[in-house]
Amino acid sequence: GDSVTQMEGPVTLSEEAFLTINCTYTATGYPSLFWYVQYPGEGLQLLLKATKADDKGSNKGFEATYRKETTSFHLEKGSVQVSDSAVYFCALSSFEAAGNKLTFGGGTRVLVKP
Amino acid sequence: EAGVAQSPRYKIIEKRQSVAFWCNPISGHATLYWYQQILGQGPKLLIQFQNNGVVDDSQLPKDRFSAERLKGVDSTLKIQPAKLEDSAVYLCASSLVIGGTDTQYFGPGTRLTVL
Repeated sequence: GDSVTQMEGPVTLSEEAFLTINCTYTATGYPSLFWYVQYPGEGLQLLLKATKADDKGSNKGFEATYRKETTSFHLEKGSVQVSDSAVYFCALSSFEAAGNKLTFGGGTRVLVKP
Repeated sequence: EAGVAQSPRYKIIEKRQSVAFWCNPISGHATLYWYQQILGQGPKLLIQFQNNGVVDDSQLPKDRFSAERLKGVDSTLKIQPAKLEDSAVYLCASSLVIGGTDTQYFGPGTRLTVL
């Protein structure tokens, strides 16, 4: 079945550091890929998405490129801020699946220190 | 535009008791989802509705969990009787249509603690 694997946290960074969170997936067909973010005390929010190979999703300075050859969707940000402290979830939605089920990775907690 | 509403935000119960959660999706969204998020894990789909019909409930423990979506709008998820392992955050999400690229919008969740 479909699965998503992302790097375990916590990831602790200083402000203005470069952030990378690795995400790889296994899926049948051609999935859409997503990054969701969960800020402390809040619900999941869509951060960015990509729907086909080589697409780049971007939002709020974050970027991720859909790499079909390596089945990856790594999240990057060039200069993090304290406000980026959150849990980040990689997810996929497969066209082959019944309905539009999202399969999530385990989440990566990011802590940015001033 | 109002987001997905859920209540209550927190609930503490004893094992073997029952509990119910309520969700009101974004207006006009045909598809509604319930996810279970155990601490330290990603959310896992429990059930998906398209209007008031069930699309996927393969991961729903039907001996104790039930869900309904009357009139294709609000939804209720019930657990009866609760077990310790049901302690989790229950997330409701909605999307406009059914489809691989359609964005799901999540509510704030209900944190359930079973003692």
